[in-house]
Amino acid sequence: GQNIDQPTEMTATEGAIVQINCTYQTSGFNGLFWYQQHAGEAPTFLSYNVLDGLEEKGRFSSFLSRSKGYSYLLLKELQMKDSASYLCAARVGAGNNRKLIWGLGTSLAVNP
Amino acid sequence: SQTIHQWPATLVQPVGSPLSLECTVEGTSNPNLYWYRQAAGRGLQLLFYSVGIGQISSEVPQNLSASRPQDRQFILSSKKLLLSDSGFYLCAWSPAGVRYEQFFGPGTRLTVL
Repeated sequence: GQNIDQPTEMTATEGAIVQINCTYQTSGFNGLFWYQQHAGEAPTFLSYNVLDGLEEKGRFSSFLSRSKGYSYLLLKELQMKDSASYLCAARVGAGNNRKLIWGLGTSLAVNP
Repeated sequence: SQTIHQWPATLVQPVGSPLSLECTVEGTSNPNLYWYRQAAGRGLQLLFYSVGIGQISSEVPQNLSASRPQDRQFILSSKKLLLSDSGFYLCAWSPAGVRYEQFFGPGTRLTVL
């Protein structure tokens, strides 16, 4: 079956660095997305990895290892507004059968 | 630029009543369209997706249905709501292409009493 695992909750301090891990077991994998979702709001796109390695975008970076079925989202210089749920999603399939398999999300609490 | 609209924002309905949620996308043509449900404390569950007018794929058997009467309009319906239909309903679109990044609407919070 298709499965994505990520920690349920994490806590970090303002100004620090936090790494949110995601492991996946899927067939037909062809890309990994990270989304941010604040409470009561819709998810918003953060990053996309299709090749192995690190993609950096400002304070946020995302890493992918296809051979290990592993990704992480790295948040630097944490701010209070970064308190949110972070969703990992694997793109699977091809053509009109492409879809995203979603993790349950990691709830991050940033404390002063 | 592209925008996606959903309405209503919140809805309270009695068990057994019908449902119609509408989603429209502006600024793009021939998008892929999706309906998701997110129950409290749960992940995103894909309900339906559509790659074109009149083309609907159902992911989970249930008492919900979807229709795409126009290129940029996606409707989620039910003839009789169940208590278990309560949740946060999200419409999303993605460009028809390789990247497949999905963009979400603001969502509809449905409470079935």
